[in-house]
Amino acid sequence: GAGVSQSPSNKVTEKGKDVELRCDPISGHTALYWYRQSLGQGLEFLIYFQGNSAPDKSGLPSDRFSAERTGGSVSTLTIQRTQQEDSAVYLCASSNTGWETQYFGPGTRLLVL
Amino acid sequence: AQSVTQPDIHITVSEGASLELRCNYSYGATPYLFWYVQSPGQGLQLLLKYFSGDTLVQGIKGFEAEFKRSQSSFNLRKPSVHWSDAAEYFCAVAPAGNNRKLIWGLGTSLAVNP
Repeated sequence: GAGVSQSPSNKVTEKGKDVELRCDPISGHTALYWYRQSLGQGLEFLIYFQGNSAPDKSGLPSDRFSAERTGGSVSTLTIQRTQQEDSAVYLCASSNTGWETQYFGPGTRLLVL
Repeated sequence: AQSVTQPDIHITVSEGASLELRCNYSYGATPYLFWYVQSPGQGLQLLLKYFSGDTLVQGIKGFEAEFKRSQSSFNLRKPSVHWSDAAEYFCAVAPAGNNRKLIWGLGTSLAVNP
């Protein structure tokens, strides 16, 4: 079946602009996660959704970052007033419940000039 | 603080040689343990996981890992490496009973010489 998909695959933006990153989880997966992968930083947990609610937002770096999930499916990660330090690969994963294996998408590579 | 350490940033092995990638964690209790692989242009793929029970875990692509509580380690092994194994390998941990918030090592980049 279809895996986790993310769009766009690459995004170049100017400092100060807003960006939206989209994640389509595996159909039927109730849990959805966002991570950020930066050079030299490894993967950082950003936020976790169970259904449409986000029990854990502890990883969001600042109030410029927000995420929502609608219909228990698609999720959007929004970064407002982007900064150069936001440049990274943003990864989305989903799982059947909060307890099962996480399946990852290919990521969105964000470059802020 | 909870942390995951992968001491080797980069490893090069010859095709057919054996491989061991190290992972150490710092946690109060035995966490859930994972190894993921990230190939160029590919998403992260789960190789294997340990929750409880037998401390030697078999995974996909011929990989195995052994959990050693006394050493707080979860090292990944493969008896004979193939050129297609060249990739980035990540160890991750999550608090026992909660797979929601994975804490990741910085990864080990594996190169395979023909």
